This record gives sequence, C-alpha cells and structure tokens, in this order.
Amino acid sequence: SQKIEQNSEALNIQEGKTATLTCNYTNYSPAYLQWYRQDPGRGPVFLLLIRENEKEKRKERLKVTFDTTLKQSLFHITASQPADSATYLCALDMENTGFQKLVFGTGTRLLVSP
Amino acid sequence: NAGVMQNPRHLVRRRGQEARLRCSPMKGHSHVYWYRQLPEEGLKFMVYLQKENIIDESGMPKERFSAEFPKEGPSILRIQQVVRGDSAAYFCASSPVKESNQPQHFGDGTRLSIL
Repeated sequence: SQKIEQNSEALNIQEGKTATLTCNYTNYSPAYLQWYRQDPGRGPVFLLLIRENEKEKRKERLKVTFDTTLKQSLFHITASQPADSATYLCALDMENTGFQKLVFGTGTRLLVSP
Repeated sequence: NAGVMQNPRHLVRRRGQEARLRCSPMKGHSHVYWYRQLPEEGLKFMVYLQKENIIDESGMPKERFSAEFPKEGPSILRIQQVVRGDSAAYFCASSPVKESNQPQHFGDGTRLSIL
C-alpha cells in the first residue's frame, strides 16, 4: 500500500543552525510534492511545491529537494529562528485521480531554541 | 481577502446527536476538500466536492457521514448519530483548480468533541 513517512520524533536545534526534515514514500510515483507548516490549533499553511522533474526549489530561507529515485524529499530551513518552531507536513498527490487528492505524512515537529 | 473560514471552531456533542461543520472556501475557489486529523496522526482525506457535486468521497465512512457544497452558501460536513470515535479536528481546504500543481488553502479547523 502507499505510504508516507516522516520522522515522528521532534527535531531540536539551536537558533541559527540549519534544520533538515525528511519525507520518504513507498509505492508512489507522485507528480508533485508539497510541504506545509502547521502550528498548534491552526490549519496547515502551504510553504513549497516541487514537481517530479525538479530537483530543488528555494524560497527565502527554505529549500526543498525531491529525489524520485530514492523516493525522498528533504526540507531545509537555513538560519533557523524560534519562530520556525512548528510541525512540518509533507504531502503527495495520489496517482491518476484527476484531481488534487493529497496524502499527508504525520509531520515532524521542529523546536528551535534561542 | 478572507481565507478559508470554518465554523464553529469548537463543537461539543453528546453521543447520538448530529454535528454540522461549515466551510466557506476562499473567494474564487470552487474546489473543496475535507480532512480529518486525529491526535498524533496525519490529515486523512475524506471528500472532494465541486459546486453541487461530490466528486470523490472515498475517504468518508459509508454510514452517518455526508457532505454537500450547494450552489449558494458554505460546504457542510454532516455527521449523524455521533460516537466517541468521531472526536477529531476536521479541516476544510479549497483550491482554485483541481490539478495538483496548485496548493490547497486550509481553514483552522473545527474541533469536535463527543461526550
């Protein structure tokens, strides 16, 4: 069956360091992969979308890579700040549905200490 | 430019009652998705609707759950005869197109608690 895995353990890092979060998937060939941020009690907020033919995408301090051979995406936050503390979700579109049927990972919680 | 609006934010029901959750998509968005999120679990797709049409309800339980997106007014997720296991956060998202090359915009959810 199709599966998305994100590290369930919280990632603790020091302010100013680079945070790297991992998203692995099996039994998928997604055309797109998306990353969202979710704060407690709030809905997910879209961050970045990367297509299967793109290896890397950047937006300000964020960088996403997409390796369709390894079936893995890495999400990097450089020069991290305490305000970056949140849960980060990856999502893939299910194949051949004709619409945006997203499957989400369980998310990784990031804690950035001052 | 208001985002996706969900109400109520919190809803408490007793077992056997009905729960009605509302979602107003972003202006100009005609595609609505409902998700359920249980504690420590990921968002699970429930249903995808366009105006007056249910396109895919494969993630929705066959009994007691229904959804609609009328020509006028918000999308409604309705849960009849609620049970304790229905306690969860329910999120609605909208998008301007159906294709996967656009992000979904989420509301802040309705937290449903069943006593």
